[in-house]
Amino acid sequence: DSGVTQTPKHLITATGQRVTLRCSPRSGDLSVYWYQQSLDQGLQFLIQYYNGEERAKGNILERFSAQQFPDLHSELNLSSLELGDSALYFCASSLGQGATGELFFGEGSRLTVL
Amino acid sequence: GENVEQHPSTLSVQEGDSAVIKCTYSDSASNYFPWYKQELGKRPQLIIDIRSNVGEKKDQRIAVTLNKTAKHFSLHITETQPEDSAVYFCAACRISGGYNKLIFGAGTRLAVHP
Repeated sequence: DSGVTQTPKHLITATGQRVTLRCSPRSGDLSVYWYQQSLDQGLQFLIQYYNGEERAKGNILERFSAQQFPDLHSELNLSSLELGDSALYFCASSLGQGATGELFFGEGSRLTVL
Repeated sequence: GENVEQHPSTLSVQEGDSAVIKCTYSDSASNYFPWYKQELGKRPQLIIDIRSNVGEKKDQRIAVTLNKTAKHFSLHITETQPEDSAVYFCAACRISGGYNKLIFGAGTRLAVHP
């Protein structure tokens, strides 16, 4: 158990819909990262938050948005869903400043868009 | 932008043989190079990492080497076992304060045959 909690574990929805994925980082970790892993693909970096502020952005679509709340949990919002958005979405956390850089991954949220 | 290339994409070895996975990175400011292992249906987990002030690091059957001049690093697994079968991801990161943007390679699917 990494200490990172992601909900829901599985989600099935239709094209055009909107979903919210939630992540609770490890206790004490200030950074939260979101990665997308499509079938048999690598880990595509979406976005990073550190202590509530956006710190880095990857190839995140405009239809996607995220935020980190004062209690440090994070949500990834995916809207106007398309078939190609079907993927495993991982959240990871790290201590952030002064840390080794190790990311602790959650179990992922598997999104299926029909 | 930052980019990490990883080769080969698939690797098949016999139990007891060695396996080598190679990565190159583009951001010369990268100073932290972790390797993650992802077993089927599981989350990625850190197996070994190396910082830019070190050329080689070993942990039992696993070793990582880094050539900063050439901007490439490699994972070496000796005496492979069936439980080493997984997807391995290299990554590069510039650790700076709360900024730990970790860019992953595309992954190597390692199959160890008994």
